[in-house]
Amino acid sequence: AQTVTQSQPEMSVQEAETVTLSCTYDTSESDYYLFWYKQPPSRQMILVIRQEAYKQQNATENRFSVNFQKAAKSFSLKISDSQLGDAAMYFCAYRSATGYGGSQGNLIFGKGTKLSVKP
Amino acid sequence: DSGVTQTPKHLITATGQRVTLRCSPRSGDLSVYWYQQSLDQGLQFLIQYYNGEERAKGNILERFSAQQFPDLHSELNLSSLELGDSALYFCASSVGPGQSGNTIYFGEGSWLTVV
Repeated sequence: AQTVTQSQPEMSVQEAETVTLSCTYDTSESDYYLFWYKQPPSRQMILVIRQEAYKQQNATENRFSVNFQKAAKSFSLKISDSQLGDAAMYFCAYRSATGYGGSQGNLIFGKGTKLSVKP
Repeated sequence: DSGVTQTPKHLITATGQRVTLRCSPRSGDLSVYWYQQSLDQGLQFLIQYYNGEERAKGNILERFSAQQFPDLHSELNLSSLELGDSALYFCASSVGPGQSGNTIYFGEGSWLTVV
């Protein structure tokens, strides 16, 4: 069974600085997807960034980027120029690519990292 | 706005009661997922439906059941409620073939409080 581990329960960053959240996962599959979701105090689950395992290039979305190391099964999230609105719980998630269309598996989540941003 | 609609947003009910949570997936999405998030358990996968059929089961209690209807909306039924069932229940959906089908989008959740 696949597992996702986030080893940092809490992190703190100064506004405008850069912070990296860690995530490791365990799987025997070669084809899968990795995600970072953000959950602000409103508790809504918001997709931050997505990475396909078959792509070597690291995904980037504006101030958010990942460092995907497939061999090491590592998937860290870097937030640049941190803003107060980035304060939230961040969840790393794994999804198998087995299946077709929308019938692929569900998301497997890590326990989350609570990020606080200091003004 | 993810396009996934959940109702009700908040629900308070007594122990032993039964409630139904409703979810409308994003337009065109065939898969619906239910997750439970409680304070001490994190995000727990409950069940997945794909085009009306049950696709996968997670940590769903026997007191809970779900279904996906022909119009693709889904309902999660929670019965014989206990205090420990108090949680945020998320519905999520994903589309069919194509790269965008790899992403699961979440609704805003239904807060259930059992008193």
